Amino acid sequence: AQSVTQLDSQVPVFEEAPVELRCNYSSSVSVYLFWYVQYPNQGLQLLLKYLSGSTLVESINGFEAEFNKSQTSFHLRKPSVHISDTAEYFCAVSDGSSNTGKLIFGQGTTLQVKP
Amino acid sequence: GAVVSQHPSRVICKSGTSVKIECRSLDFQATTMFWYRQFPKQSLMLMATSNEGSKATYEQGVEKDKFLINHASLTLSTLTVTSAHPEDSSFYICSARGTGRASKTGAFFGQGTRLTVV
Repeated sequence: AQSVTQLDSQVPVFEEAPVELRCNYSSSVSVYLFWYVQYPNQGLQLLLKYLSGSTLVESINGFEAEFNKSQTSFHLRKPSVHISDTAEYFCAVSDGSSNTGKLIFGQGTTLQVKP
Repeated sequence: GAVVSQHPSRVICKSGTSVKIECRSLDFQATTMFWYRQFPKQSLMLMATSNEGSKATYEQGVEKDKFLINHASLTLSTLTVTSAHPEDSSFYICSARGTGRASKTGAFFGQGTRLTVV
């Protein structure tokens, strides 16, 4: 069985400050890892993902995440946040060996960017 | 990129009635569709997985007679909440997966449906 833990339910930060949203996972098999962003009353948008290869993955809007197998983590970072980054962020894991496509989500982290 | 359209975006229904939610893949063939449920301020929980032309596989604790899932074509899956009650009020989101570039796990989600049962 797999599980995902997002250690922070809310992260307040000032605009232009750096931010890190933490995600740890548990799995006995290889994994695919994802970060999604959700704006109020909307669906999920894929921010970035790790399937294989380079452990550092980046999104087009400045976010990056690093897969750390030894620490079973996939923390999301951004060096300078904008007001528009305020949203709910979900970390998710999928079984990389069977590739069923089923996602297990973390509890979510609310990023609140203040002016 | 691949697009998944979910309809309606919001629905309010009376207790005891049934509601149908549609999930369509607009530019690829969705061999598999996933239905998730999200309670306010909570995470998404997988309800069921449906493969085109076969019965859906429900997660533990999800009532298959209450949440009817049909995946009759490669572009459409429906979730019907039967005899809805206020506790069924939630945000329902579908995800679709196909072949080729659409086979990438977790890439394509619908916009979600906010169901309110009064």
